[in-house]
Amino acid sequence: NAGVTQTPKFRILKIGQSMTLQCAQDMNHNYMYWYRQDPGMGLKLIYYSVGAGITDKGEVPNGYNVSRSTTEDFPLRLELAAPSQTSVYFCASSFRLGELTGANVLTFGAGSRLTVL
Amino acid sequence: QKEVEQNSGPLSVPEGAIASLNCTYSDRGSQSFLWYRQYSGKSPELIMSIYSNGDKEDGRFTAQLNKASQYVSLLIRDSQPSDSATYLCAVLGNKLVFGAGTILRVKS
Repeated sequence: NAGVTQTPKFRILKIGQSMTLQCAQDMNHNYMYWYRQDPGMGLKLIYYSVGAGITDKGEVPNGYNVSRSTTEDFPLRLELAAPSQTSVYFCASSFRLGELTGANVLTFGAGSRLTVL
Repeated sequence: QKEVEQNSGPLSVPEGAIASLNCTYSDRGSQSFLWYRQYSGKSPELIMSIYSNGDKEDGRFTAQLNKASQYVSLLIRDSQPSDSATYLCAVLGNKLVFGAGTILRVKS
């Protein structure tokens, strides 16, 4: 059982380049999330999805796009990368957001460290 | 006012002591309160969750919740060097909001 798998682990981009961070989960979770974490800061929600075909913006969606064509996959697209997007990106999943109990918590991927120069 | 506030630390405690980590939140409608531990360069992992006022104990960890004061804390008894990490408080109301985290250093 792999849980939540993110690729790549590290990436350096030039300003203006585009890329996609991949996220896949094998737990049949309905909810998936993308967070970014800047040094010394908490996790900020970028986008989330409550199921295939449904996505919504979080706190800091500007400069990003997502899609959810399957239950398993939730890629994050960066268009026209900017230095402000230098961060560590975490993908997470859960069965549902409304009731996070001990058996229903966020499962995080290992993270993707992105540097934009 | 930040939605979830934590002292950034670092909080330094000697090995074997009790470490006390605190968190305040602004949304009175919040329902669930979570503590995550995050080692440097790693993803957060859930330590404790609490939903009702009072204390909840799990091994060396005790979570305390006071909804009237909008305050939640995490106590770590018999602190070990392996407990050195950043501890993130997360609060669930109509959305899950994370605090910036408190750095804990346990000195042997």
